[in-house]
Amino acid sequence: TQLLEQSPQFLSIQEGENLTVYCNSSSVFSSLQWYRQEPGEGPVLLVTVVTGGEVKKLKRLTFQFGDARKDSSLHITAAQPGDTGLYLCAGNLGEGGADGLTFGKGTHLIIQP
Amino acid sequence: EPEVTQTPSHQVTQMGQEVILRCVPISNHLYFYWYRQILGQKVEFLVSFYNNEISEKSEIFDDQFSVERPDGSNFTLKIRSTKLEDSAMYFCASRENRGQYEQYFGPGTRLTVT
Repeated sequence: TQLLEQSPQFLSIQEGENLTVYCNSSSVFSSLQWYRQEPGEGPVLLVTVVTGGEVKKLKRLTFQFGDARKDSSLHITAAQPGDTGLYLCAGNLGEGGADGLTFGKGTHLIIQP
Repeated sequence: EPEVTQTPSHQVTQMGQEVILRCVPISNHLYFYWYRQILGQKVEFLVSFYNNEISEKSEIFDDQFSVERPDGSNFTLKIRSTKLEDSAMYFCASRENRGQYEQYFGPGTRLTVT
């Protein structure tokens, strides 16, 4: 049973388009992180969301944590080829964040010029 | 900017041999983690370490695995008798303190067991 499901698994769009990818669970998370991972490298942290309903922006990327803290979304505005990569969501199940992260399988994003 | 470092970047070993993977967490961080990622699969939690002891471990982290912080800077993962299925990328991560949720990952060690 997968605790964190990410969708879509693969997404290929044209430069300049907008997109949203999702991270869903039936479990409540005390926090949720979004990472980006390049082939053969470690995950690079993009953002952490902690409060239900929280929205954070990182340039053209907007992250939202669901009100019930069971889901999250990543929206990219005017996607660019440099946004191409694997986007991972990962959450803490325990309060205080002391435990290990549970990862989703990721969304492979390709932005075509 | 401080970062987590890992050595070696690639380790090839024969089945049954012991390997030690090394990590230097970010210097003021108190929580340390090991994760693994089998090729094409998701990142999986192995173990967390705080105050010189294991605070949590997953089902994957069986008796073949051990962790140690031998000095003030290094954090190691030992696999006593490697199996073919131990082949994976192993990532070290660190977190500053209990009030901070962010975990910062190292570049990984690719372990190949032949």
